[in-house]
Amino acid sequence: EPEVTQTPSHQVTQMGQEVILRCVPISNHLYFYWYRQILGQKVEFLVSFYNNEISEKSEIFDDQFSVERPDGSNFTLKIRSTKLEDSAMYFCASSMGAVYSSTDTQYFGPGTRLTVL
Amino acid sequence: QQQVKQSPQSLIVQKGGISIINCAYENTAFDYFPWYQQFPGKGPALLIAIRPDVSEKKEGRFTISFNKSAKQFSLHIMDSQPGDSATYFCAARGSGGSNYKLTFGKGTLLTVNP
Repeated sequence: EPEVTQTPSHQVTQMGQEVILRCVPISNHLYFYWYRQILGQKVEFLVSFYNNEISEKSEIFDDQFSVERPDGSNFTLKIRSTKLEDSAMYFCASSMGAVYSSTDTQYFGPGTRLTVL
Repeated sequence: QQQVKQSPQSLIVQKGGISIINCAYENTAFDYFPWYQQFPGKGPALLIAIRPDVSEKKEGRFTISFNKSAKQFSLHIMDSQPGDSATYFCAARGSGGSNYKLTFGKGTLLTVNP
């Protein structure tokens, strides 16, 4: 069964450093998402991406964040200058889109645990 | 108005019992309500989902009950098993345009004792 993959599984970085989290969505999906989950809290939406542009972003997704689909398979989240409060599990998700499926299931990757020291 | 409120925060059930988790929403533009199951160290995985045009959906031991007028929906796990021990999140998705983001509840940690 197709699945969303994410690398690395765990990233440790120093405050102020740039990090890039990588995701390979399911191949025929059109919509891509990043969510984050601070330890013990709910999953929060960060950004959605469709047709090579951001379709929506949350207030969390400020100028320090960016997303890119550099080729036909990868989807990346970049944090330019990490802060302590960026420490969280970051999940990538993908879906076909509700235009193609009334239920539009979002499939989540296993996550990247980001630890900012 | 974008919130999804979930309760209880944690739930302990004996094997074979019924687990019930409740969620409520305010935004009437939500049109799709999935439940996700998350095991420690893993990403959320879709368990079952419902649209507001039906009041109940059953898949195996898992049932969603949906009350559109009350803007509430719940997950029932029948014959709960220790392997069901996980965190369960309800979620809701809006309609319109390209906005398909999921808004999650805070999660319920379910423990099923043997």
